[in-house]
Amino acid sequence: DTEVTQTPKHLVMGMTNKKSLKCEQHMGHRAMYWYKQKAKKPPELMFVYSYEKLSINESVPSRFSPECPNSSLLNLHLHALQPEDSALYLCASSRGTGGMYEQYFGPGTRLTVT
Amino acid sequence: GENVEQHPSTLSVQEGDSAVIKCTYSDSASNYFPWYKQELGKGPQLIIDIRSNVGEKKDQRIAVTLNKTAKHFSLHITETQPEDSAVYFCAASPNFGNEKLTFGTGTRLTIIP
Repeated sequence: DTEVTQTPKHLVMGMTNKKSLKCEQHMGHRAMYWYKQKAKKPPELMFVYSYEKLSINESVPSRFSPECPNSSLLNLHLHALQPEDSALYLCASSRGTGGMYEQYFGPGTRLTVT
Repeated sequence: GENVEQHPSTLSVQEGDSAVIKCTYSDSASNYFPWYKQELGKGPQLIIDIRSNVGEKKDQRIAVTLNKTAKHFSLHITETQPEDSAVYFCAASPNFGNEKLTFGTGTRLTIIP
């Protein structure tokens, strides 16, 4: 089973709201990722967690705050977003970090900031 | 850092014909090359990958070839079917450490019935 689940599927939020995206995997993977994907573009890496510790932050604005409560769960907390943050947010996981391991993506959360 | 170029950006083929998508990379340290298929409204799905110790890998109608000397790799889909219509992304990554996947810009493949 290579399933990564994400909730919610769709989210509409105002610029003053606080919301969270959730990602879950039960494959025993120890690396988890957040990506942002704009229309007609490839996924763009935001954060990498390895063994529940943040290992890569791709200079993402602080209005995005990741959290890894345990090895199966990954959250992305959103606050004071801008309309340009509207995008598909993808979670992925792999057995470890680095190119030795395949990354499996979830279906994404379609975020609209109004 | 790594740079991956992908061509063509759009490709239309008749059902039953073959489709080929090509990628070139810049970093000679890259050793892992996955291909993802993304259907409308879905996340990318890993369809095949290749590591630098092999030159070709095949899985039913899908094959990937790698030329490390020329730094390019290609996706070949034979006997195309309507369900092959999607956006395809190539990617490259070193085989160690925390290095990230670098994606190509994507190819929109349309299969004409």
